Parts: sequence; C-alpha cells; structure tokens
Amino acid sequence: EADIYQTPRYLVIGTGKKITLECSQTMGHDKMYWYQQDPGMELHLIHYSYGVNSTEKGDLSSESTVSRIRTEHFPLTLESARPSHTSQYLCASATSGRDGELFFGEGSRLTVL
Amino acid sequence: AQSVAQPEDQVNVAEGNPLTVKCTYSVSGNPYLFWYVQYPNRGLQFLLKYITGDNLVKGSYGFEAEFNKSQTSFHLKKPSALVSDSALYFCAVRPNAGNNRKLIWGLGTSLAVNP
Repeated sequence: EADIYQTPRYLVIGTGKKITLECSQTMGHDKMYWYQQDPGMELHLIHYSYGVNSTEKGDLSSESTVSRIRTEHFPLTLESARPSHTSQYLCASATSGRDGELFFGEGSRLTVL
Repeated sequence: AQSVAQPEDQVNVAEGNPLTVKCTYSVSGNPYLFWYVQYPNRGLQFLLKYITGDNLVKGSYGFEAEFNKSQTSFHLKKPSALVSDSALYFCAVRPNAGNNRKLIWGLGTSLAVNP
C-alpha cells in the first residue's frame, strides 16, 4: 500500500474561487509530481519537484502553481479556477534511483462550474 | 521526438483467455520500461518494469511483460484473464540518454474482461 494521500478526493466549486489540492507522502521520497488526466485517459505532467525548494513546470502548460517547503508535502494551487480546469489531478512520488517507479495518490477530481 | 505508442484504445478478452496489451516506443538508447494499471476512480499503480537482463519480466497480479529490443516493444501479458483485471493500462518509458529523463507515457489501453 502506497503512503501518498491526496485531499480532497472530489471538489465542486464555482468559477473564480481559489483552491488548493493537497498531496502528502510519508515515504521520504525526494521526487514528487503532479499530473493532469484528461477525461479520456491521457496523462500530462504539469509540475514536478526533485527536492525541497525545487519546483519545475512540466510538459503541459498550467495556470496552477506548486510549492515544496517540506519533503513530504507538495500542494497545488489555482488562484482563480475556471471551467477549463475541470479535470482529474494525480499526485505521485518517487525515490532517486528508482524514479520510474511512481507511487500515485488516489487523485483529486475537480469540477469548476 | 521520443514517443510511446499503445496502438489499441480498447482490448476485449473473455475470462480465462490469455491477454496482451501492446506497447511500442521510439526512444533512443536503452530506456527503462514500465507498466501501470489504473482501476476506476483510483490513481495509477506500478505493475512491473524492465531495466536490463531477462526479456520476460514478472510483476504484480500475475502479469508479465516481454521486452523485444529489435521491435522496440514491451507488451503486457497474462496467461489467464480475470474479470477483475478490467482497468486502464499505461505503458511508460524513461529515457536514459540526454537531459530529459522524465517518464514518457502512452495514451492508455482500456482492458475489458468479459465473464
């Protein structure tokens, strides 16, 4: 059982609201990732971090931001949500040396009305 | 450009029959290869990986995958499918050359196992 947790699992909010999706892992992994998953299936890397105070944008441009102040915590924030942000957001972590073996959280399904 | 292809959007098999989910890749060098499974309304779970060595690797839930270097393929297999294997399956490749070593994902294959 992977020890990586995402909250909330489901969120329905109105346009213009600020939201933060939480992601925490207890495995001490240095690498953490956020993926956006289309309704169809496709995974898009939107942010990643290789350690504390290190964050990078992924392959898909996103209006969200992330922070990595503590090893175990990698929250994602949307300052002003829009319907186009409606999606499934998946957080994952990995340890250096085994960084193709990702441990995923259960996901946060965001709906913006 | 480097890429991973899963040529079938959906695979249907009868319970008890063997299953194959296909993956081919176009990545230079000797990449690492991975399979993940995603059950409904869940995150992805790691199934198995190929780094080096024996071309047939075994993973979780009775799955195995066969690496073929000449065909640049890494097909997922199971000798006898279960209804509970119905899920989304993702192939991923991690390059081992160049500066960008992040995972490259296939688009996923939906496996339906019929009772």
